Amino acid sequence: NAGVMQNPRHLVRRRGQEARLRCSPMKGHSHVYWYRQLPEEGLKFMVYLQKENIIDESGMPKERFSAEFPKEGPSILRIQQVVRGDSAAYFCASSLGTGDQPQHFGDGTRLSIL
Amino acid sequence: GENVEQHPSTLSVQEGDSAVIKCTYSDSASNYFPWYKQELGKRPQLIIDIRSNVGEKKDQRIAVTLNKTAKHFSLHITETQPEDSAVYFCASFQTQGGSEKLVFGKGTKLTVNP
Repeated sequence: NAGVMQNPRHLVRRRGQEARLRCSPMKGHSHVYWYRQLPEEGLKFMVYLQKENIIDESGMPKERFSAEFPKEGPSILRIQQVVRGDSAAYFCASSLGTGDQPQHFGDGTRLSIL
Repeated sequence: GENVEQHPSTLSVQEGDSAVIKCTYSDSASNYFPWYKQELGKRPQLIIDIRSNVGEKKDQRIAVTLNKTAKHFSLHITETQPEDSAVYFCASFQTQGGSEKLVFGKGTKLTVNP
């Protein structure tokens, strides 16, 4: 009964490189959400996806950031040309449906930019 | 847009005392309000949630109350234990303007002193 799986747990990149974060939702869940958390701060919504569709990307920067949830495989959050300010913990959550369906979180990916 | 205010930002209690955390929201259409507990370096864990059709929900030592008219909801922890020490986040599910997302408060760091 695996929960939400994220990898890698820790990722170190140099400025200008690309970061790819992966998220496999809980079994049976088809709704995926990505959040960013800075130290000592709350969770900020980035993007909401269903299989092959981006439903709401209002929290994701227009440049350098993209997300996908293909028909097969995990959801991917991609950050191109990373900068120091991208350093944060990135959490993925999944749910059975939208609205009042509980969201369950993965362990997160801690991204550090050198 | 939707805003969730959470107070206090830090809370220190003695073991066995009660702890209360309060949140207010601005989107009158919000109908789902979860609470998450996050220990240092760990994932946010859903501990209790409430939907707008009820005013109170209880699960052992944890209870949540909701006042839709005043747009505020509260988390109550009774008989606190040292293992309750963590950061607690409230959230409100927003559906304004076609957006579908959880908006989180900034968190309350709870310390239970033995």
